[in-house]
Amino acid sequence: AQKITQTQPGMFVQEKEAVTLDCTYDTSDQSYGLFWYKQPSSGEMIFLIYQGSYDEQNATEGRYSLNFQKARKSANLVISASQLGDSAMYFCAMREPNTGANSKLTFGKGITLSVRP
Amino acid sequence: AAGVIQSPRHLIKEKRETATLKCYPIPRHDTVYWYQQGPGQDPQFLISFYEKMQSDKGSIPDRFSAQQFSDYHSELNMSSLELGDSALYFCASSSYAGTEQYFGPGTRLTVT
Repeated sequence: AQKITQTQPGMFVQEKEAVTLDCTYDTSDQSYGLFWYKQPSSGEMIFLIYQGSYDEQNATEGRYSLNFQKARKSANLVISASQLGDSAMYFCAMREPNTGANSKLTFGKGITLSVRP
Repeated sequence: AAGVIQSPRHLIKEKRETATLKCYPIPRHDTVYWYQQGPGQDPQFLISFYEKMQSDKGSIPDRFSAQQFSDYHSELNMSSLELGDSALYFCASSSYAGTEQYFGPGTRLTVT
């Protein structure tokens, strides 16, 4: 079974509007971490936001927030006030266990976001 | 702030040649991870090192080997290159107790 599922087709959003990118995950671990990365066409993998499984508050980083619904096993990324520079591929990833030397990331297939002027 | 450094950024090799990719983690990060991202694919974990010892292994071909040195930098050695090895290779680093994992800019390997 896939551990990270990102099923949305390419997403489009108007500049200055908010957009939600969906991510669901599957794990039997109690301790895990959820990450979102942005990959522009230039190829680098840019860390955006992190949510730990024990964190009670939803993570926020500037215009990025993570809507963490543990019971539903979802970790959706919300980008507020979209900018043209937000056009990129977005990957959701999970780390289990959450710390330690064996904490590799497992990625979803990614979602392409295009911001329209 | 210092980031993960990878070299070279681009590499073109012919089939059956060898390649060496280098990674310099963020200072005070003791764990290094290698990922391979094929065209249009998500990154796939290859191998990781903690304190110079291999800590985990993923879908890394036997033709590839890697190590972490005393200064914590890591090298990924790839031999008998195949066309299918053409990909973006990322190195990421973290601290053992840390939560975040930061990626380098990647090395784009093209095998012709």
